[in-house]
Amino acid sequence: GIQVEQSPPDLILQEGANSTLRCNFSDSVNNLQWFHQNPWGQLINLFYIPSGTKQNGRLSATTVATERYSLLYISSSQTTDSGVYFCAVYGDSNYQLIWGAGTKLIIKP
Amino acid sequence: KAGVTQTPRYLIKTRGQQVTLSCSPISGHRSVSWYQQTPGQGLQFLFEYFSETQRNKGNFPGRFSGRQFSNSRSEMNVSTLELGDSALYLCASSLNWGFGNEQFFGPGTRLTVL
Repeated sequence: GIQVEQSPPDLILQEGANSTLRCNFSDSVNNLQWFHQNPWGQLINLFYIPSGTKQNGRLSATTVATERYSLLYISSSQTTDSGVYFCAVYGDSNYQLIWGAGTKLIIKP
Repeated sequence: KAGVTQTPRYLIKTRGQQVTLSCSPISGHRSVSWYQQTPGQGLQFLFEYFSETQRNKGNFPGRFSGRQFSNSRSEMNVSTLELGDSALYLCASSLNWGFGNEQFFGPGTRLTVL
């Protein structure tokens, strides 16, 4: 089945810094979503982005489907950005989301 | 529009008991999926329901079951609880069944089995 790898696994930054999180997938996908899981466990939708580029405030994402990767950019980080960021995909033959292991982001004040 | 709601938010049970968790999807959404999240295994798919029918199932034992009602609300049941069933159980809703549909998650039910 399709494999999803996220990097880096952990990231510690000072408030105000920028960051780039990466998601690699092993096969073509029909759906790719980025989520932020806050310390209380809530999964918050960031982007639905099977291809192309999207922006939402300080966050943006780019998926290059032909090269099988997606990037999540966070600019001017705030402490509230702390948490775990997950990438999840639907493959061509999967009727379920396949998840990466996540990137744990800590923003220090 | 209200988001996905899950009840209860926290639950403590003992081994051998059974538990039922509830999920109400976003209004108009007809598909509900369930996931288990543990520190060791990450997020794992349990099953997906659409139009009151289970459409897809993950690799979990038969102790894990679910159903969906005509109003799209869903319940999942775990019988004969084991210590390893302690986890965050997340429900997601989407407009329709199948790949390509954006999923939206509820706050989760945190189950502790003693």
